[in-house]
Amino acid sequence: SYELTQPPSVSVSPGQTARLTCSGDGLAKHYGNWYQQRPGQAPVVVIYKDNERPSGIPERFSGSSSGTTVTLTISGVQAEDEADYYCQSGDSSASLVVFGGGTKLTVL
Amino acid sequence: QVQLVQSGAEVRKPGASVKVSCKASGYTFTSYDINWVRQANGQGLEWMGSLNPNNGDTDYAQKFHGRVTMTRNTATSTAYMELSSLRSEDTAVYYCARGFESVTTWFDPWGQGTLVTVSS
Repeated sequence: SYELTQPPSVSVSPGQTARLTCSGDGLAKHYGNWYQQRPGQAPVVVIYKDNERPSGIPERFSGSSSGTTVTLTISGVQAEDEADYYCQSGDSSASLVVFGGGTKLTVL
Repeated sequence: QVQLVQSGAEVRKPGASVKVSCKASGYTFTSYDINWVRQANGQGLEWMGSLNPNNGDTDYAQKFHGRVTMTRNTATSTAYMELSSLRSEDTAVYYCARGFESVTTWFDPWGQGTLVTVSS
């Protein structure tokens, strides 16, 4: 089955670098995408196609890929970055879109 | 600006159906798929399926086959998601999202979400 695995939680202090990982065999074939979801809000894409950043997303957000793992890196973490982060991959035309379980980023 | 605005919260009894709408603005509605994703309280995101507004073609997640129907009205740039035979486990926030395709699908932007509560 197509599954994406994320650590449930990551904690960092303000100004430090947060690295959130997402692993799954399907990532060898498909790109990984990342969404930020603040409490009570809809998700917002912060990285797509492994490492592309949409307009309006701060430069401190970056993405990378290696084999079956994609990584979201947040450099110089700010308090406003505290949120749930979901990775996602797959292809809707193949009726196959999957989300990871999410990582709660806590800014200490 | 590109925006998706969804209909308001709904309450249904088990066994009933619910239809949620998603009105698009700020772009050509028929140029991008509309996807539906749901999220139970405190849980993760779950993809339900996608709709091609240009021709009405749909792709549904296996889990929802037979219970979900996605349609559209191109005159009003509105997409619809109907879920039938509701059970308590369907209580969730339902989101629509515009889909992009390049080997992989990604979603931007998302609607504000519609809370569907299934309760007797």
